[in-house]
Amino acid sequence: AQSVTQPDIHITVSEGASLELRCNYSYGATPYLFWYVQSPGQGLQLLLKYFSGDTLVQGIKGFEAEFKRSQSSFNLRKPSVHWSDAAEYFCAVGGGGFKTIFGAGTRLFVKA
Amino acid sequence: GAVVSQHPSWVICKSGTSVKIECRSLDFQATTMFWYRQFPKQSLMLMATSNEGSKATYEQGVEKDKFLINHASLTLSTLTVTSAHPEDSSFYICSARGRETLTPYEQYFGPGTRLTVT
Repeated sequence: AQSVTQPDIHITVSEGASLELRCNYSYGATPYLFWYVQSPGQGLQLLLKYFSGDTLVQGIKGFEAEFKRSQSSFNLRKPSVHWSDAAEYFCAVGGGGFKTIFGAGTRLFVKA
Repeated sequence: GAVVSQHPSWVICKSGTSVKIECRSLDFQATTMFWYRQFPKQSLMLMATSNEGSKATYEQGVEKDKFLINHASLTLSTLTVTSAHPEDSSFYICSARGRETLTPYEQYFGPGTRLTVT
């Protein structure tokens, strides 16, 4: 069965520091992978997605993610975090029946 | 483009009453809409999938008689929580997928509706 694991429940980084959020997936075929961000009390906004091609994907707000098939990972990165990046981040994989499976989420805290 | 709205953004109702939440695709035709439930500090749980003009498909464990979903048009889906109880209090999020999406998994999310049942 398809699944998504986000090992870190929460992460704290200093403003201006680099960020990496981890995501591991389990899926038999070539996966469709997504990263979403959710601010408190809001819906989800798509940061980036991977379907095929270049394994390094650029997204909005300066985020990027790298698909590594050998590690079944799709980690999200940002070179310099801004206070406005504090939010909940969800990794997701397109699963069977055209359903999307979400990870448990990682809460990002940004300290001044 | 690809904007999804939800109404209301928050609602408080008394136990035993019913509440209707609307989900609209504003600038595209949504062939499929999804309804999710999110508990505090948890991930999204898919409740049901609805295709325009057909009955919704509910996920295992979701009571279809309690959570009525209607997808009557290509721009509107509604979720009605019937005989609501405090345990139905949650954040409900809809998403929509249109004809023009690149993949079958691409979907656009509404801002969510906070339901509190007293």
